[in-house]
Amino acid sequence: GAVVSQHPSRVICKSGTSVKIECRSLDFQATTMFWYRQFPKQSLMLMATSNEGSKATYEQGVEKDKFLINHASLTLSTLTVTSAHPEDSSFYICSATDRSGANVLTFGAGSRLTVL
Amino acid sequence: DQQVKQNSPSLSVQEGRISILNCDYTNSMFDYFLWYKKYPAEGPTFLISISSIKDKNEDGRFTVFLNKSAKHLSLHIVPSQPGDSAVYFCAAWVTDKLIFGTGTRLQVFP
Repeated sequence: GAVVSQHPSRVICKSGTSVKIECRSLDFQATTMFWYRQFPKQSLMLMATSNEGSKATYEQGVEKDKFLINHASLTLSTLTVTSAHPEDSSFYICSATDRSGANVLTFGAGSRLTVL
Repeated sequence: DQQVKQNSPSLSVQEGRISILNCDYTNSMFDYFLWYKKYPAEGPTFLISISSIKDKNEDGRFTVFLNKSAKHLSLHIVPSQPGDSAVYFCAAWVTDKLIFGTGTRLQVFP
């Protein structure tokens, strides 16, 4: 089945630094990737949708200048949290689809970001 | 505005019994529904899905029921096993977005 790899699984950084999270589709070409965020004991909230070769579409309330998304190839999307602050600490999860008509999204294992 | 709601944050069921997890939605444009299982610090894994043109889908121990008039779906797990203990999310597709519910923590005890 489809596999999505996410790296790093855990990252701790100082306030003000930037952190990059990678999301790769291992055995399929992901025309669309989705980035979600989950705060403790809460739902998964969609942050943005990225299509290969075009700009990401951000959900309302998500700062595009703070959460930079790049989907430069059909197998890789990156999320960069710029100038991270403690309130950005969260669990970030990516998912991908090849848009073959399947309605099931495959998710990565997630990345736990802790900003000190 | 939470379009997909799971009103029970937790559920405790004895092993071997049926687990019933419920989900309500507000948007009649939702056309495909899924259930995901999630462990802490991991991504969600897909369990079962149902199209809005159906009212039931079954896969092994898992059955999903959809009541469109009530905008309600449920996941039945029978028999429940300790390994089923996790957080369960219902999710729905609308305009190329997958929207998640608030989650229900299921605990299956021996």
